[in-house]
Amino acid sequence: DIQMTQSPASLSASLGETISIECRASEDIYSNLAWYQQKSGKSPQLLIYAANRLQDGVPSRFSGSGSGTQYSLKISGMQPEDEGDYFCLQGSKFPLTFGSGTKLEIK
Amino acid sequence: QVKLQQSGAELVKPGASVKLSCKTSGYTFSTSYMSWFKQIPGQSIEWIGMIYAGDGGTGYNQKFKGKATLTVDTSSSTAYMDLSSLTTEDSAVYFCARPCIIRVTGGYVMDAWGQGASVTVSS
Repeated sequence: DIQMTQSPASLSASLGETISIECRASEDIYSNLAWYQQKSGKSPQLLIYAANRLQDGVPSRFSGSGSGTQYSLKISGMQPEDEGDYFCLQGSKFPLTFGSGTKLEIK
Repeated sequence: QVKLQQSGAELVKPGASVKLSCKTSGYTFSTSYMSWFKQIPGQSIEWIGMIYAGDGGTGYNQKFKGKATLTVDTSSSTAYMDLSSLTTEDSAVYFCARPCIIRVTGGYVMDAWGQGASVTVSS
């Protein structure tokens, strides 16, 4: 199985701050990497797919980058509604696997 | 718009089985895939398996083989997941989600999710 190592586990950011979350795959996943936001008690919401493509309706302050085994999600200008848990998902090979998650809070 | 409406919370006894449903609307279910996921609150998400509604073909995470059985009813555009021989380790929130194939990379992404169904296994 492909292991997804996500960091940091938690992050505290001030309003307007730019933050990054990283995911490293145990093998090349050929940009088949998605980022999700999950608020408490809710289902995951797709933010980024194919490593760097913004899902329709997602604010442009979210961006993704990376290739091969290394990927990152950037939020340019933290907003109150960005608090939540963030997960990466590799969709390259079965079984599909997620990162361990990052809890993002407002400082 | 695409909607996935899951059945409600379940409280079941150890050793019992439970069948969860995921009723879809807003897209052509009969030629689509459906995936199921498990999430223990406060933890990450695990992929259970996927089913193609066109022919009922399935693929499972090895970890969930024998535990989960995926089926569909195309007449009602509904996907089902049976969980058998339940233990306390099966207590979790279960999600259905629609997989899409990303044209540029050939991989999968889940672009729509159900609201989740909580399963609590307790005597």
